[in-house]
Amino acid sequence: GQQVMQIPQYQHVQEGEDFTTYCNSSTTLSNIQWYKQRPGGHPVFLIQLVKSGEVKKQKRLTFQFGEAKKNSSLHITATQTTDVGTYFCAQLAGNMLTFGGGTRLMVKP
Amino acid sequence: DTAVSQTPKYLVTQMGNDKSIKCEQNLGHDTMYWYKQDSKKFLKIMFSYNNKELIINETVPNRFSPKSPDKAHLNLHINSLELGDSAVYFCASRSTGGGGYTFGSGTRLTVV
Repeated sequence: GQQVMQIPQYQHVQEGEDFTTYCNSSTTLSNIQWYKQRPGGHPVFLIQLVKSGEVKKQKRLTFQFGEAKKNSSLHITATQTTDVGTYFCAQLAGNMLTFGGGTRLMVKP
Repeated sequence: DTAVSQTPKYLVTQMGNDKSIKCEQNLGHDTMYWYKQDSKKFLKIMFSYNNKELIINETVPNRFSPKSPDKAHLNLHINSLELGDSAVYFCASRSTGGGGYTFGSGTRLTVV
């Protein structure tokens, strides 16, 4: 399947700081999904982006899909300790979801 | 009332043994999956079934055999377990109507 690369691999932030994770592909993506996995937990679906340039918000989380549909980002404003976890982007092609490597977010209180 | 449930949650076994992991979903989804998550958190698809039919079989050793008795169940049997099989195995499901995947809570397999 298509490869989606995610950066950074790890991010430490102070509580209240912003956080962004980026997802990049060398080929055009038909869609992108984002998941959050808490430590010791399982991936939980956050959102799906389909349209070029799409921007969606969920409270302090902002998701963007690039104009060329080759990249996506997840931005968290004013992080809280409850935001701790690994954030994955994933591309759905046919019936197969291929995940990026994830960005592990750690928040210092 | 868990949407996707896996059993067992933890499994510790010796090399060479055979073990099974069970998965059930009560969401009415048509498609079910098995994913393997390694120690570096990388999630890799193993199998996908749609209405009991195998539709995806990634490069997985023959020792792994999925079985879907009906569209609500997808079990994973592993023969001759090896140390490298140690990982967290996630079951997931999705409606063919679209949307995200719903994951089970995972089975942490440790082969000693």
